[in-house]
Amino acid sequence: SQKIEQNSEALNIQEGKTATLTCNYTNYSPAYLQWYRQDPGRGPVFLLLIRENEKEKRKERLKVTFDTTLKQSLFHITASQPADSATYLCALDISGFQKLVFGTGTRLLVSP
Amino acid sequence: GAGVSQSPRYKVTKRGQDVTLRCDPISSHATLYWYQQALGQGPEFLTYFNYEAQPDKSGLPSDRFSAERPEGSISTLTIQRTEQRDSAMYRCASSLGAASGNTIYFGEGSWLTVV
Repeated sequence: SQKIEQNSEALNIQEGKTATLTCNYTNYSPAYLQWYRQDPGRGPVFLLLIRENEKEKRKERLKVTFDTTLKQSLFHITASQPADSATYLCALDISGFQKLVFGTGTRLLVSP
Repeated sequence: GAGVSQSPRYKVTKRGQDVTLRCDPISSHATLYWYQQALGQGPEFLTYFNYEAQPDKSGLPSDRFSAERPEGSISTLTIQRTEQRDSAMYRCASSLGAASGNTIYFGEGSWLTVV
């Protein structure tokens, strides 16, 4: 069956450390993978997109890797801050018209 | 508008009633998406529009669900004969175009409770 797995347990880290979130998928061959941030009661907010032919993408303190062989994406937040506390969702673009398939999300808690 | 606007934000309805949810996308956005999001889950695709055309409605759970975008701007999602299992957050999103790489902007959602 097709599925996307993200750590269901919350990730707790200290301020200033690097947070690493994992997204694993099976039986998909996405051309694009996206990461979103979602705060409680709010809609998802787009963060980064990475293409299948890109190994790594960076934006400020964020870094995403995409390994199509391992069928895995890693999402890193360096120098984490309490304001980074949120749920982070990965989403596969399986269609070319952004019909996104989302993971369940990982909750990140950054303590001062 | 400045962002994707959805109404109502909260709706409680009795089982068997029809419900219509509204989405006002970002102006000039050609593409509009509807997603359903259960608590603790990621959004699930329902359908999408390019202007008024609806190329894919494969995610609609049953024929009780329908969506329209008659003039290529505002869209409505209608659920007929609501059932308790329809209770969820319904999120609308829009983008400049459907091609991958166009940033998708989500609205705050309409929370539907069927009692």
